[in-house]
Amino acid sequence: QVQLVESGGGVVQPGRSLRLSCTASGFVFSSSAMHWVRLAPGKGLEWLALISYEGLDKYYADSVKGRFTISRDNSNNSLYLQLSSLRPEDTAVYYCAKVTTPYSSGWYFDDWGQGTLVTVSS
Amino acid sequence: EIVMTQSPATLSVSPGERATLSCRASESIYTNLAWYQQKPGQAPRLLIYGASTRATGFPARFSGSGSGTEFTLTISSLESEDFAVYYCQQYNSWPPFTFGQGTKLEIK
Repeated sequence: QVQLVESGGGVVQPGRSLRLSCTASGFVFSSSAMHWVRLAPGKGLEWLALISYEGLDKYYADSVKGRFTISRDNSNNSLYLQLSSLRPEDTAVYYCAKVTTPYSSGWYFDDWGQGTLVTVSS
Repeated sequence: EIVMTQSPATLSVSPGERATLSCRASESIYTNLAWYQQKPGQAPRLLIYGASTRATGFPARFSGSGSGTEFTLTISSLESEDFAVYYCQQYNSWPPFTFGQGTKLEIK
């Protein structure tokens, strides 16, 4: 079955960087567009970034554009999110999620990882 | 950017009763709407897609309806495992893929 496992979270000081990873199994990763979504304490889900199946197209929420970078390595079934210039308001659980339709980006998310917690604090 | 607005923010319902959750889009999204269920400490789980198609693993007491700008998620007879936060999300016009702020369904 589909498995998405995030890692790389932790406590980081404001202004520092962190790289999150999402390791995929149980489906053809190289055919699936992927997203990052976060859930901050007391808030709702916030979409952050999308990368197309081949990695050529990337899209970002305004709140993270210029600070976060999404990437993927299809040879290793891995998705990444580089977080830079972190702020306390970036404190959240970060989820990777898979797009339902192969070779397409504009669809709903049918599988999610369990998330990794990022805490930005001095 | 399409804004998704959910109401109410919190809904208190007794087990066995019916729950109706609403989601409104700031412009037409046709039926390009998904609902997700999220329980504390767990990942979101796809519940409904295409506004009305139930995802694998969810029982028939869950139903979605609507098109254009007005959508509804109905749970016909609440069971204890249904108490959670529910989010709607549009995938019609992106980026961004916008979520509603969520409705917390709690036990009355």
